[in-house]
Amino acid sequence: AQSVSQHNHHVILSEAASLELGCNYSYGGTVNLFWYVQYPGQHLQLLLKYFSGDPLVKGIKGFEAEFIKSKFSFNLRKPSVQWSDTAEYFCAVNWGGADGLTFGKGTHLIIQP
Amino acid sequence: SAVISQKPSRDICQRGTSLTIQCQVDSQVTMMFWYRQQPGQSLTLIATANQGSEATYESGFVIDKFPISRPNLTFSTLTVSNMSPEDSSIYLCSVEGGRGSGEQFFGPGTRLTVL
Repeated sequence: AQSVSQHNHHVILSEAASLELGCNYSYGGTVNLFWYVQYPGQHLQLLLKYFSGDPLVKGIKGFEAEFIKSKFSFNLRKPSVQWSDTAEYFCAVNWGGADGLTFGKGTHLIIQP
Repeated sequence: SAVISQKPSRDICQRGTSLTIQCQVDSQVTMMFWYRQQPGQSLTLIATANQGSEATYESGFVIDKFPISRPNLTFSTLTVSNMSPEDSSIYLCSVEGGRGSGEQFFGPGTRLTVL
């Protein structure tokens, strides 16, 4: 079955540290890739997305992600995190335009001031 | 992006009863989706609801347990029937972002606790 794996379930960083959250998916065909973020008490929001083209995509709030097709990966990065980045981060995949998204289990990120 | 609202925002229900969750979007959309997020787990797609046709359910979800209505292009309901404590979850509706990309916008969710 098609699946999405996020390797880090809980991450604790200090402010200004660099962040990289891993995401791998199981399907080798056409995929559309997403990172969503859920801040405490808020809706799930789209952070960034990859459909095609430049494999390095930039999102809101200084986040970026790199699509590496050969590794089936779409890792999320941020050079310098802030306390306000404390949230739950979900990687999600759309399989070749099919309906719905498959989500990873999420990463709970805590930034210590 | 679309603005999505859900009612109720949370509820506590007794075992064996049913709850209907409403999802309203501020623009017309073809596809709406219902997800479940169990405690400590990720989001799992329950079904896809297109206006004018029967909902399409994912493996492990059945219409008798989760009947869905989609009467028009801005509204959908999900009913959780004959509830048990295992149905305690957050239920979210989402709508397509367009262009067949898979991008979706999510509602705030309904937090359901079954006693």
